[in-house]
Amino acid sequence: NAGVTQTPKFQVLKTGQSMTLQCAQDMNHEYMSWYRQDPGMGLRLIHYSVGAGITDQGEVPNGYNVSRSTTEDFPLRLLSAAPSQTSVYFCASSPRGAGEAFFGQGTRLTVV
Amino acid sequence: AQSVTQLGSHVSVSEGALVLLRCNYSSSVPPYLFWYVQYPNQGLQLLLKYTSAATLVKGINGFEAEFKKSETSFHLTKPSAHMSDAAEYFCAVRRSGNQFYFGTGTSLTVIP
Repeated sequence: NAGVTQTPKFQVLKTGQSMTLQCAQDMNHEYMSWYRQDPGMGLRLIHYSVGAGITDQGEVPNGYNVSRSTTEDFPLRLLSAAPSQTSVYFCASSPRGAGEAFFGQGTRLTVV
Repeated sequence: AQSVTQLGSHVSVSEGALVLLRCNYSSSVPPYLFWYVQYPNQGLQLLLKYTSAATLVKGINGFEAEFKKSETSFHLTKPSAHMSDAAEYFCAVRRSGNQFYFGTGTSLTVIP
């Protein structure tokens, strides 16, 4: 059982480049989210989705776009990468109700 | 706004000693609370969760946490630390749908 799958695991970008971080889940969860993890700051919510076709901004949405065309996929797009976006990115999915979030293994992104 | 505060970014204990990691939440209504563990270069794994059932929650690897509404706390404990417990621990609250909010994390070191 795959759970939440993120690709790629590592990425180096030059300032100004764009890219898409992929996230897919096979648990039929309605809710999906993207977080970034930085030292001493925990995980901060970037964008989230409560179902296909519905997305909303989290705490730190600037510089990122998302879309949710299917229940399974929730890609995160960096429009024009900046060094401040160097971070570890986690995708998570969760079921309706009080359940926990299930996390992918993360993408370590470096912007030079 | 709902949030969690973890007291102590670094905690060191001797092997076999009590582990106590502190988490306080801010919420006007009882929330859903979670503790996650993160081992180096991995994603987050659920340790335990409180979803308004029993106030003393038992999790994996011998960890447990007690929900205390009067103190707005959800501290994580383990009676006897093991070397394999060395990791980063995150407290999180789930509010209004998909929004999970995480503390800044506590790094646990276990001294042989």
